[in-house]
Amino acid sequence: EAQVTQNPRYLITVTGKKLTVTCSQNMNHEYMSWYRQDPGLGLRQIYYSMNVEVTDKGDVPEGYKVSRKEKRNFPLILESPSPNQTSLYFCASSPRPGNEQFFGPGTRLTVL
Amino acid sequence: AQKITQTQPGMFVQEKEAVTLDCTYDTSDQSYGLFWYKQPSSGEMIFLIYQGSYDEQNATEGRYSLNFQKARKSANLVISASQLGDSAMYFCAMSSRSYNTDKLIFGTGTRLQVFP
Repeated sequence: EAQVTQNPRYLITVTGKKLTVTCSQNMNHEYMSWYRQDPGLGLRQIYYSMNVEVTDKGDVPEGYKVSRKEKRNFPLILESPSPNQTSLYFCASSPRPGNEQFFGPGTRLTVL
Repeated sequence: AQKITQTQPGMFVQEKEAVTLDCTYDTSDQSYGLFWYKQPSSGEMIFLIYQGSYDEQNATEGRYSLNFQKARKSANLVISASQLGDSAMYFCAMSSRSYNTDKLIFGTGTRLQVFP
């Protein structure tokens, strides 16, 4: 089944404790993105990647890191999480820019 | 700058009736795509329908159709014969196809409630 998977689905952590949210797609898509969703703001892009080893900032990159060492994986790293990073995070992939993006199930993160 | 505006925070519709969810956009790109996604209470993002800026005909997918008015920069979603399962948040989004970037710009969403 073609899909985007994210782990964990739910995470409660404390300020400053490094964490990684994994994202993997099995559709051989070149393009992958991370978004965060906050009430009243819709979804905003954090980072995106156009291919292996090619990443770039989205609209809200502060406090986040990403890497793309393999085509299928695009982890999101929070080196020192803060409460304002409490949000619902989505990973997405697409075969080409401007195409439909396929979203993972979301990761609900709470930073205390 | 690119922007998507959804002016209806919430909408109510009776089952089996049609409903229109509004979306206007702003872009200086000539080539772009418009999308609608559904987000049920379970949280996942479900792709509904796509319209390319050069598509002359309005997109349709089953009970969903996109009323694309390019001159007005609007891309309204029409759901015909509403069902209780249509109750969800609906997001309009836009992508640029002019640049080698892969970003969707989202609106703030419209919460649709379908009642019996």
